[in-house]
Amino acid sequence: GAVVSQHPSRVICKSGTSVKIECRSLDFQATTMFWYRQFPKQSLMLMATSNEGSKATYEQGVEKDKFLINHASLTLSTLTVTSAHPEDSSFYICSARDPKGDRRGATEAFFGQGTRLTVV
Amino acid sequence: AQSVTQPDIHITVSEGASLELRCNYSYGATPYLFWYVQSPGQGLQLLLKYFSGDTLVQGIKGFEAEFKRSQSSFNLRKPSVHWSDAAEYFCAVAPRGFQKLVFGTGTRLLVSP
Repeated sequence: GAVVSQHPSRVICKSGTSVKIECRSLDFQATTMFWYRQFPKQSLMLMATSNEGSKATYEQGVEKDKFLINHASLTLSTLTVTSAHPEDSSFYICSARDPKGDRRGATEAFFGQGTRLTVV
Repeated sequence: AQSVTQPDIHITVSEGASLELRCNYSYGATPYLFWYVQSPGQGLQLLLKYFSGDTLVQGIKGFEAEFKRSQSSFNLRKPSVHWSDAAEYFCAVAPRGFQKLVFGTGTRLLVSP
């Protein structure tokens, strides 16, 4: 299947600083990418949908100014956690759709490995 | 609102025994249905998916799932569980057009010797 690479896998940052997480589709062009947040032993909560060349669509309750999403190219989306606080500590996962899969009737989303963010 | 329910938070199965993980969804029309597996600290791997056609879907690692429209269910099964199957399993749905995935709360599978 297609490969989605997420970097870094782990990051520790100081409270008040910003941290950027990258999500890359390695062997396909992803017009749409998704960012999820997962709390310990809980499910994945969709934070936002990132569309190449346009503004991200945020889910209700997600602060747009805190979680900045940029989808600058068809293979890269970034999530920047601004002015991070300890409560932002979580596991962040991105996923990407391969639009060619739709035509093959094989729509699915491919997931990155996740990023463990710890804010101290 | 669309939702996905996985009623079992934890399940313990003996190695070699059969497994069934339950998933029910609430949605106006039949959505796309998925099962993912997540190992600790890792991303998600797709086990199988249902879009249309045959209601019994075969996936990787010996897993299968059956879509039952009348019950709005998409239960995951495996005839013989291996110790390496211990992980978190998520059922997910996406509306036709695949705008986004909605995940269930997950079921943690423990495999006993």
